[in-house]
Amino acid sequence: EIVMTQSPGTLSVSPGERVTLSCRASQSVSINLAWYQQKPGQAPRLLIYGASTRATGIPARFSGSGSGTEFTLTISSLQSEDFAVYYCQQCNNWPQTFGQGTKVEIK
Amino acid sequence: EVQLVQSGAEVKKPGESLKISCKGSGYRFTSYWIGWVRQMPGKGLEWMGIIYPGDSDTRYSPSFQGQVTFSADKSISTAYLQWSSLKASDTAMYYCARARIAVDGMDVWGQGTTVTVSS
Repeated sequence: EIVMTQSPGTLSVSPGERVTLSCRASQSVSINLAWYQQKPGQAPRLLIYGASTRATGIPARFSGSGSGTEFTLTISSLQSEDFAVYYCQQCNNWPQTFGQGTKVEIK
Repeated sequence: EVQLVQSGAEVKKPGESLKISCKGSGYRFTSYWIGWVRQMPGKGLEWMGIIYPGDSDTRYSPSFQGQVTFSADKSISTAYLQWSSLKASDTAMYYCARARIAVDGMDVWGQGTTVTVSS
């Protein structure tokens, strides 16, 4: 089973700042990596798939990069609605696995 | 509108059986995988497994293999997650979500079904 490790666990950020979240896989997952956003009381929402392709309706301030074992989700200018928990998921191997999440909170 | 609508909250006792549902609409149900994800209270997302309703191809996470069963009824565009004997540790929110290609992530999610198991 591939272990996904996200860092940091929590990020305290002010609105307007640039945010970078990291996700590392215990072995290569090629570009088969997805990012999700989850707000309290809501289902997760797909942000990025294929490591760098934005899902339908996702604002351009969200971008993903990486391949192999190292991946990054960047939010170029954090908006108030972006405070949430972010998860990465490797989709390359069965079983698919999620990282433990990074919480982005207001500073 | 593409959506997945899950069945309502359940309260069960340990040892009881349970089957929750996930009904797809607005798309070709048999052409997308349906994944199941567990979220225990205050915790992160856990991938339980996935089923392809077109041919019932099913993959389970080892953590859930033998503990749950996935199924799908193509005629009513509905996927199911079932337990034969619930435990208190099954208390969680359960989400279904669809994926066109398994490597592309899950783009549409159900609203979740809360399962509470308590004596």
